[in-house]
Amino acid sequence: GQQLNQSPQSMFIQEGEDVSMNCTSSSIFNTWLWYKQDPGEGPVLLIALYKAGELTSNGRLTAQFGITRKDSFLNISASIPSDVGIYFCAGPTTSGTYKYIFGTGTRLKVLA
Amino acid sequence: NAGVTQTPKFRILKIGQSMTLQCTQDMNHNYMYWYRQDPGMGLKLIYYSVGAGITDKGEVPNGYNVSRSTTEDFPLRLELAAPSQTSVYFCASSSVTQYFGPGTRLTVL
Repeated sequence: GQQLNQSPQSMFIQEGEDVSMNCTSSSIFNTWLWYKQDPGEGPVLLIALYKAGELTSNGRLTAQFGITRKDSFLNISASIPSDVGIYFCAGPTTSGTYKYIFGTGTRLKVLA
Repeated sequence: NAGVTQTPKFRILKIGQSMTLQCTQDMNHNYMYWYRQDPGMGLKLIYYSVGAGITDKGEVPNGYNVSRSTTEDFPLRLELAAPSQTSVYFCASSSVTQYFGPGTRLTVL
């Protein structure tokens, strides 16, 4: 079945550093979503991508829809302590436009 | 605008007990979902609904039941709780993108 693999699984970075993470699949996706989950909370949508090659920013976050449509990337610039959390990618399954699968997550820890 | 609300926030069950996790959304979304998130893992889809009266299974439906009598409510029922159902349960709703509730942390002992 469809799977989304996220890399890295976890990372520790210094405050002020830039962060890059990615999400890959063996199947093509028409939409890529990036969520952040704070400890003890539900995921919150950060960025949605709808077209191959699309580059979209939300503050210090920038996400790209890979041109192969099998991957997506999320970058965080000048990280701050509140960036800590788990970042998930997600996309609609082939069996239903509004039925999503989620990646395994990238756990980010920022050292002040 | 409350978005997606879930009750209870925490619950401890004994093996074999039953309970219903409540989920309500006030955004008039047709699509609603139940996920479970095991420690250190991603989200797994349990059940979803594309509108009132219509539900379908996700990846991990065994041991759960759902109903959707109204657009707003999508309760999840556990009939015979088992330790394997210890998890955090998230409800979500969507028109195009999903919005999540705060979760219910369930422990089965």
